Amino acid sequence: GAVVSQHPSWVICKSGTSVKIECRSLDFQATTMFWYRQFPKQSLMLMATSNEGSKATYEQGVEKDKFLINHASLTLSTLTVTSAHPEDSSFYICSARPNTQPQHFGDGTRLSIL
Amino acid sequence: GNSVTQMEGPVTLSEEAFLTINCTYTATGYPSLFWYVQYPGEGLQLLLKATKADDKGSNKGFEATYRKETTSFHLEKGSVQVSDSAVYFCALSDGGSSNTGKLIFGQGTTLQVKP
Repeated sequence: GAVVSQHPSWVICKSGTSVKIECRSLDFQATTMFWYRQFPKQSLMLMATSNEGSKATYEQGVEKDKFLINHASLTLSTLTVTSAHPEDSSFYICSARPNTQPQHFGDGTRLSIL
Repeated sequence: GNSVTQMEGPVTLSEEAFLTINCTYTATGYPSLFWYVQYPGEGLQLLLKATKADDKGSNKGFEATYRKETTSFHLEKGSVQVSDSAVYFCALSDGGSSNTGKLIFGQGTTLQVKP
């Protein structure tokens, strides 16, 4: 079945640093990937739609300059949290769709900013 | 706009009990409906789906039927196991010509199954 790999699974870093999270589709090509943020015991909030070869589409209220998304190939999208601060600490999850099939999710990245 | 509402949790059951987690939706057009499951510290896994009215999705003993007349997609399982303990999310995606693939999630329902 379709597999989506997300890396790293856990990252702890100091306030002010930038953190890059990778999302890879392992056995299919994905022209579209999605990035979500999940707060403890809450639902997933769609942050942006990552489009291969073009700019990401951000949801209302999500800062484009804060959360940089690059989708340089059909199997890789990256989310960079720039100048991260404690309020950016969260669980970030990516997903990808094989053609018109349902989204398949990565295992998530737990980001902790000290 | 489109939205999904799930019953609040946590739902606590004894092993082998019957499970129902209610999900209702509001949508224009003909959305596809999904149930995802999230185990602690992990991402989401697709549990089942239905793409049109009266479709029944099923997997691992779980079932849900797409009811257009009641705009519902309730999740059921006849006999739960401790290993079913997780958070369950109901979701919809827009369908038809406006299929962007975006998922809209309910708030999630935590299921705790005790031995």
